[in-house]
Amino acid sequence: NAGVTQTPKFRVLKTGQSMTLLCAQDMNHEYMYWYRQDPGMGLRLIHYSVGEGTTAKGEVPDGYNVSRLKKQNFLLGLESAAPSQTSVYFCASSATGTGSYEQYFGPGTRLTVT
Amino acid sequence: TQLLEQSPQFLSIQEGENLTVYCNSSSVFSSLQWYRQEPGEGPVLLVTVVTGGEVKKLKRLTFQFGDARKDSSLHITAAQPGDTGLYLCAGPRSAKIIFGSGTRLSIRP
Repeated sequence: NAGVTQTPKFRVLKTGQSMTLLCAQDMNHEYMYWYRQDPGMGLRLIHYSVGEGTTAKGEVPDGYNVSRLKKQNFLLGLESAAPSQTSVYFCASSATGTGSYEQYFGPGTRLTVT
Repeated sequence: TQLLEQSPQFLSIQEGENLTVYCNSSSVFSSLQWYRQEPGEGPVLLVTVVTGGEVKKLKRLTFQFGDARKDSSLHITAAQPGDTGLYLCAGPRSAKIIFGSGTRLSIRP
């Protein structure tokens, strides 16, 4: 099993450009999440999904959109990138059932917006 | 409002020393988790504590959940350079996880 994978690993964008980050998981998890991690800010939740076809806003959703068309994939879109979106982006998934929502993270995407 | 406060924020100690990291909240959690994140990688789940007063051991790491389920601690015995990383506590809230701000641990050889 690959677990959680993220594509791409690195990306440099110019201000105003758009891009999509792809997250895939092969653990049949219902829940998926997108976080950003900035120095000194810890992990902040952008959007999350509790099942195929459903999404919800997290702590810092502005400037991002998401889609969950298939259970195993969760896409994060930036329509018009801004320098403030320079960060490391992590995708995670979790199973339901225990109520603990233990997170399984991908390796991250390092995004720089110039 | 930070629901989970971790202390200390930074810790640099010599190899072989012992250390304790704390995770505190004013709210009750049904469980608390600890993750370790190494540079350039995603966080990895170390343990989940579920019952108040529970103690779990993972080799030289000992995790404890407070009796009131509002706090947790991580104790490392005889720290090694491989223990270096960012340690995060986290607790569930609905379908989401609340993360603490983390403790950055550096072990000097």
